[in-house]
Amino acid sequence: AQSVTQLDSQVPVFEEAPVELRCNYSSSVSVYLFWYVQYPNQGLQLLLKYLSGSTLVESINGFEAEFNKSQTSFHLRKPSVHISDTAEYFCAVSETNAGGTSYGKLTFGQGTILTVHP
Amino acid sequence: NAGVTQTPKFQVLKTGQSMTLQCAQDMNHNSMYWYRQDPGMGLRLIYYSASEGTTDKGEVPNGYNVSRLNKREFSLRLESAAPSQTSVYFCASSERLLNTEAFFGQGTRLTVV
Repeated sequence: AQSVTQLDSQVPVFEEAPVELRCNYSSSVSVYLFWYVQYPNQGLQLLLKYLSGSTLVESINGFEAEFNKSQTSFHLRKPSVHISDTAEYFCAVSETNAGGTSYGKLTFGQGTILTVHP
Repeated sequence: NAGVTQTPKFQVLKTGQSMTLQCAQDMNHNSMYWYRQDPGMGLRLIYYSASEGTTDKGEVPNGYNVSRLNKREFSLRLESAAPSQTSVYFCASSERLLNTEAFFGQGTRLTVV
């Protein structure tokens, strides 16, 4: 069975500073990797995903994550954060079969609360 | 385009009462899921339905039952609610054969007193 560990439960940072949210996973098979964001009292929204190809993936609002297979990590980074980035961020994995199709079920990390201060 | 719709948004139950959480998606996805979210524990899978007519247990199924009513709808039932089931419940759907991501509803905040 797979597992996901988000190494920081809370990350406070000042506006315009860089940030890294760390995520490590374990699995005996190939996985797809996701970062979801949850704003207060809302559902989860996909931020970015890695399925295959380039190990560096980017979102439309300036976040990026790099898949590192040897270190089984998928850390999320942003070079300059805004107040509006304050939210809880979840790393998740989905195992795949030999044909590369996801089983669909997600295993989530514990979440990291990012708080951006002015 | 509504996506994934959950009802109700809030509910308070007394211990021992039963209720059904409703979920519907309009994206023609084959797969649907129920998760619960608890502080510091992320989201944990309760049940899922890989396709219409099938359901399977997830990580934390005890105390719950599900029904995949049709391709659009997937309900979660608590037969005898317990305080340990106080949580935020999320329904999600995906088209796993196309490797799409999961789309989530807005959640149901359930309190069992």
